[in-house]
Amino acid sequence: GAGVSQSPSNKVTEKGKDVELRCDPISGHTALYWYRQSLGQGLEFLIYFQGNSAPDKSGLPSDRFSAERTGGSVSTLTIQRTQQEDSAVYLCASSLDPGFNEKLFFGSGTQLSVL
Amino acid sequence: AQRVTQPEKLLSVFKGAPVELKCNYSYSGSPELFWYVQYSRQRLQLLLRHISRESIKGFTADLNKGETSFHLKKPFAQEEDSAMYYCALRADKLIFGTGTRLQVFP
Repeated sequence: GAGVSQSPSNKVTEKGKDVELRCDPISGHTALYWYRQSLGQGLEFLIYFQGNSAPDKSGLPSDRFSAERTGGSVSTLTIQRTQQEDSAVYLCASSLDPGFNEKLFFGSGTQLSVL
Repeated sequence: AQRVTQPEKLLSVFKGAPVELKCNYSYSGSPELFWYVQYSRQRLQLLLRHISRESIKGFTADLNKGETSFHLKKPFAQEEDSAMYYCALRADKLIFGTGTRLQVFP
């Protein structure tokens, strides 16, 4: 009955490497969001899933970023050829049903450091 | 364009003082507004939503459509209120402001 689970909690990588960040939403939650949290930038929307489809990918910063969701559950955010500006906390959130008065439940995030 | 603006990065007050964290929004439709809070070493969590017109931990927020604001208020701040506060607007997705760090000194 745990909340939203993200792994790894910390990831240090070298510039140019690819990374995968994982999110396990609360069971039964149909909506899943990825946000990026960095100093001075607040929470930046990346992508939103309803079931396995992503109606809104408008926040992905570049084509190096991609995300998928399988089985209406687990989601993976992939960053290819990482750059130093990708360093941030990546937050995942899920909700029971998107729409009016939606309440998001957040994971504890993945701290990504690109050296 | 949909936008949430939190003009203050840091707000420092003494215990017992009133607190107001400012939030302004830009949205052409009927807004749904929220306040989320992140305490030290905890997850981001919902504090309150305008539709519920609720008071949580002594905090209230009133939607002012004329001024396009949704300021968060508490009459007497407590040390345990120290946290990062984010205002959020639900348009076609939930977008957040840049956050305000509230520090309450003893």
